[in-house]
Amino acid sequence: NAGVTQTPKFQVLKTGQSMTLQCAQDMNHEYMSWYRQDPGMGLRLIHYSVGAGITDQGEVPNGYNVSRSTTEDFPLRLLSAAPSQTSVYFCASRSRGVLVLETQYFGPGTRLLVL
Amino acid sequence: AQSVTQPDIHITVSEGASLELRCNYSYGATPYLFWYVQSPGQGLQLLLKYFSGDTLVQGIKGFEAEFKRSQSSFNLRKPSVHWSDAAEYFCAVNSIIQGAQKLVFGQGTRLTINP
Repeated sequence: NAGVTQTPKFQVLKTGQSMTLQCAQDMNHEYMSWYRQDPGMGLRLIHYSVGAGITDQGEVPNGYNVSRSTTEDFPLRLLSAAPSQTSVYFCASRSRGVLVLETQYFGPGTRLLVL
Repeated sequence: AQSVTQPDIHITVSEGASLELRCNYSYGATPYLFWYVQSPGQGLQLLLKYFSGDTLVQGIKGFEAEFKRSQSSFNLRKPSVHWSDAAEYFCAVNSIIQGAQKLVFGQGTRLTINP
């Protein structure tokens, strides 16, 4: 049981480049989400999904796309990277249910630098 | 809007000393509160959570937190810290964003342990 895995661990992009951050979980969790972590700002929700084929926006969705074709995978796409997207990105998952009753599991993070 | 404030950006304590990390929340109804810990280079791990009932909550690694409604606080405590407790700590509250429950995180408190 690997939990939540993320790849790559570190990435450097040039402004305007595109890339996909991968996230996978093997716990059969319905709910998955992406956060970005910036100094002094805690974690902010980018996008989330409550199940395969269903995604929705969080607090800071601009510049990011997501899809959820399977229960296991929830990739995050940057179509045209900008320096403002330099951050650490965390993927998380939990079982379906009332948020307060379910523990959210986090991946190890992807550190992204956009030049 | 619901929010969480962690007044201390950085705290330094000596090994063996007691610890208290502050968390204040803003929430109209009964809040559901969480503390997460993030070790260097790692994802977030849930320490403890409060839903209702006993206002003193026990968590993993010897941590506890006390919910005080009158002060809108949920401070994290540990009687005697260990060098391995050096990490960043995040308080979070459940929130309704765009009609769905989400976690809103505080800015984080970085804990340094002096030998």
